[in-house]
Amino acid sequence: DTAVSQTPKYLVTQMGNDKSIKCEQNLGHDTMYWYKQDSKKFLKIMFSYNNKELIINETVPNRFSPKSPDKAHLNLHINSLELGDSAVYFCASSQIPTGVGNTIYFGEGSWLTVV
Amino acid sequence: DQQVKQNSPSLSVQEGRISILNCDYTNSMFDYFLWYKKYPAEGPTFLISISSIKDKNEDGRFTVFLNKSAKHLSLHIVPSQPGDSAVYFCAASGYGGSQGNLIFGKGTKLSVKP
Repeated sequence: DTAVSQTPKYLVTQMGNDKSIKCEQNLGHDTMYWYKQDSKKFLKIMFSYNNKELIINETVPNRFSPKSPDKAHLNLHINSLELGDSAVYFCASSQIPTGVGNTIYFGEGSWLTVV
Repeated sequence: DQQVKQNSPSLSVQEGRISILNCDYTNSMFDYFLWYKKYPAEGPTFLISISSIKDKNEDGRFTVFLNKSAKHLSLHIVPSQPGDSAVYFCAASGYGGSQGNLIFGKGTKLSVKP
């Protein structure tokens, strides 16, 4: 009965490959996110979707493309993987997209290693 | 340019004592602040939050204090338990940045020794 689940948890792949990380939430939330935690341990937002519509797109290479088939799913596809893409990617969701009450619930993370 | 800063990367406390984790922010537009706890190989877990209209919020052993004039918040854990050992992230939300964007600090690793 995991609230925010993402797969795979661990992924090792070669440079140049294309990979996807899937995310699903069963909380009934309207907003979903992708966050990245880099080697310096900073957690930074990449994308946010509200009701399947993109509302945040931070400065992220266009090799990263999120796709939200419905409110409960937000998948992350990465093309032409580079060494610098190695990080932990967290999917998350919240009931509302902003401000007071915007408590975000995170998945367990996907550890991506590009070799 | 960090908008949310946790200047102590680590903190060690004896079991039963108080743990105080600090967080500073620079953006006066932030109106909602949260603390998350993270164990290794797991995602951050929501712990406690406070809106900018309050200066204190308490939930069991956890209390968050907000000093808006100083742009400072702190998390108090009393009494500390070994199971509290984790990385604690401070986060802020509001209209200063992108909508819906939680800005995180770098985290403070708390070790509670038996």
